[in-house]
Amino acid sequence: KAGVTQTPRYLIKTRGQQVTLSCSPISGHRSVSWYQQTPGQGLQFLFEYFSETQRNKGNFPGRFSGRQFSNSRSEMNVSTLELGDSALYLCASRRGKDTQYFGPGTRLTVL
Amino acid sequence: DQQVKQNSPSLSVQEGRISILNCDYTNSMFDYFLWYKKYPAEGPTFLISISSIKDKNEDGRFTVFLNKSAKHLSLHIVPSQPGDSAVYFCASFSSGSARQLTFGSGTQLTVLP
Repeated sequence: KAGVTQTPRYLIKTRGQQVTLSCSPISGHRSVSWYQQTPGQGLQFLFEYFSETQRNKGNFPGRFSGRQFSNSRSEMNVSTLELGDSALYLCASRRGKDTQYFGPGTRLTVL
Repeated sequence: DQQVKQNSPSLSVQEGRISILNCDYTNSMFDYFLWYKKYPAEGPTFLISISSIKDKNEDGRFTVFLNKSAKHLSLHIVPSQPGDSAVYFCASFSSGSARQLTFGSGTQLTVLP
């Protein structure tokens, strides 16, 4: 079974731009969560989607948003990029109450 | 407020010996605990988990121990291999609410040949 896939793997943007990251969960997994990893803050929860609905949201500004499609694929959008948004963005999927499985991440660099 | 703490940022162990990674938590609502292994620029890889109804779970070379009264869990790797060198994160969630993972800060394990 294929794992969680994320595109693109690497991205370079400038301050003020916006970016969209994509995540395809493991087949059959309906829950998708997003996390941000930075050297200073570690791994932090952004939000979770299930059946196209946001179920839970972490402590991030409104510039961070997401959505989920009917095929469970999810996108995350960051608007008005700031230097501090440079991070590894990780997507994880799970089926029901099971363990979350992570994708390889998208490395975003904001210049 | 760090709800999950890994107080040792790094650990070095000789190949073939036991590696013990520790994790403490403060949120008494956490009832499910996981360990992930992570290489640079990759996503975390799930290793092993334990529910709060158990105090031990074993999977091959990996064993996780949970001490609920002390709010402490540990991951034992026996025998340690050079390929185990990575950053190890413990993570927790409360099954009674949203299943967002709260991660510790990670421990860099280096297994020396």
